Amino acid sequence: SYELTQPPSVSVSPGQTASITCSGVKLGEKFASWYQQTPGQSPVLVIYEDSKRPSGIPERFSGSNSGNTATLTISGTSTMDEADYYCQTWDSSSGVVFGGGTRLTVL
Amino acid sequence: QVQLQESGPGLVKPSETLSLTCTVSGDPISSDYWSWIRQPPGKGLEWIGYIYFSGRTNYKSSLKSRVSISLDTSKKQFSLKLSSVTAADTAVYYCARGIAGYSSSWYFDYWGQGTLVTVSS
Repeated sequence: SYELTQPPSVSVSPGQTASITCSGVKLGEKFASWYQQTPGQSPVLVIYEDSKRPSGIPERFSGSNSGNTATLTISGTSTMDEADYYCQTWDSSSGVVFGGGTRLTVL
Repeated sequence: QVQLQESGPGLVKPSETLSLTCTVSGDPISSDYWSWIRQPPGKGLEWIGYIYFSGRTNYKSSLKSRVSISLDTSKKQFSLKLSSVTAADTAVYYCARGIAGYSSSWYFDYWGQGTLVTVSS
């Protein structure tokens, strides 16, 4: 089955840029999406089709995908960006696949 | 604005069948992929499966023998049944709208608020 691997945690100082990675075999040949989840809330789509932002998502959120790694980049971070972030893709054999999630801490 | 709302029992006994319904508003439910996703307490997201508006289904392979998803377009609802549950099925269950774009693009743009289902005697 297809797997996506994310680091369990990432820390960043306020105002700096956070990068969260998501690794999978030939992930760059698929599309990656990213979701933000704050405690007690439903996930929110922040990036789809590697780098597209849904309406209402700030330009501070950007994405890229190449080789075996997709990356979510959040610039100008603040405490409001503290959340769990999940990557997701579609695999023809496994269906929808989520990464294990990354806890972003801004301190 | 599309809205989804899960409903169903919050407590299910081991070996019984978990049944949840998702009611959709703001979408005619005549396209796209209507999906179930779960999240055990303190853990990550797990896709369960989807039903296409045509009635075609696709389930996660490890759950396939126990899962069934159905669609009632007249009520704008879709439902999840998970049989022979154990404590490992305790989770927040989300319904969501899946979008399949071009060339295997896939993402969930609208999610319900989630409902906690506990499996316990």
